[in-house]
Amino acid sequence: KAGVTQTPRYLIKTRGQQVTLSCSPISGHRSVSWYQQTPGQGLQFLFEYFSETQRNKGNFPGRFSGRQFSNSRSEMNVSTLELGDSALYLCASSRTRTYQEKLFFGSGTQLSVL
Amino acid sequence: DQQVKQNSPSLSVQEGRISILNCDYTNSMFDYFLWYKKYPAEGPTFLISISSIKDKNEDGRFTVFLNKSAKHLSLHIVPSQPGDSAVYFCAASVNSGNTPLVFGKGTRLSVIA
Repeated sequence: KAGVTQTPRYLIKTRGQQVTLSCSPISGHRSVSWYQQTPGQGLQFLFEYFSETQRNKGNFPGRFSGRQFSNSRSEMNVSTLELGDSALYLCASSRTRTYQEKLFFGSGTQLSVL
Repeated sequence: DQQVKQNSPSLSVQEGRISILNCDYTNSMFDYFLWYKKYPAEGPTFLISISSIKDKNEDGRFTVFLNKSAKHLSLHIVPSQPGDSAVYFCAASVNSGNTPLVFGKGTRLSVIA
């Protein structure tokens, strides 16, 4: 079974640009969550989608947005990039939203903002 | 306000010895806890979990202990192996059906041969 696939793996952008990251969950998984990892900050929750609906949103500015398609694939978009947006963006999927169900993570997209 | 804290950014242990990674939490509503392991250039992978109705869960070389009164959990790795060198994240969740996992900042474990 293929794992969670995130594209691209690496991205370099300049301040003010916008970026779109893609995530394909494990087949059959309907929940997709996004996390931001920065050095020394751990994994900070961005948002969660289930059946094309945003179920939860973390404490990030409105420049961060996402969506989920009918095939459960998800995209996240960051507009007007800032230097502080440089981070590893991780996508995770799970079959359902049952709270004890573990998440399966992709390898992430490393975003560098210059 | 950080609800899940891993106060040791790094830990070095000799091969064959015990590794103990600690995690504290502040939200008394948390009732399910997980540990994830992350290698460089890879996403985190699930390692072991524990429900608040238990105080210990064991899986091979890995054991997680939960002390609810102290709001503290620890991950024991015995014996430690060089392949265990990774960043370990503690995470917690609430059985409300609508809250995401809350992660700590992680502890980098180095197992020295």
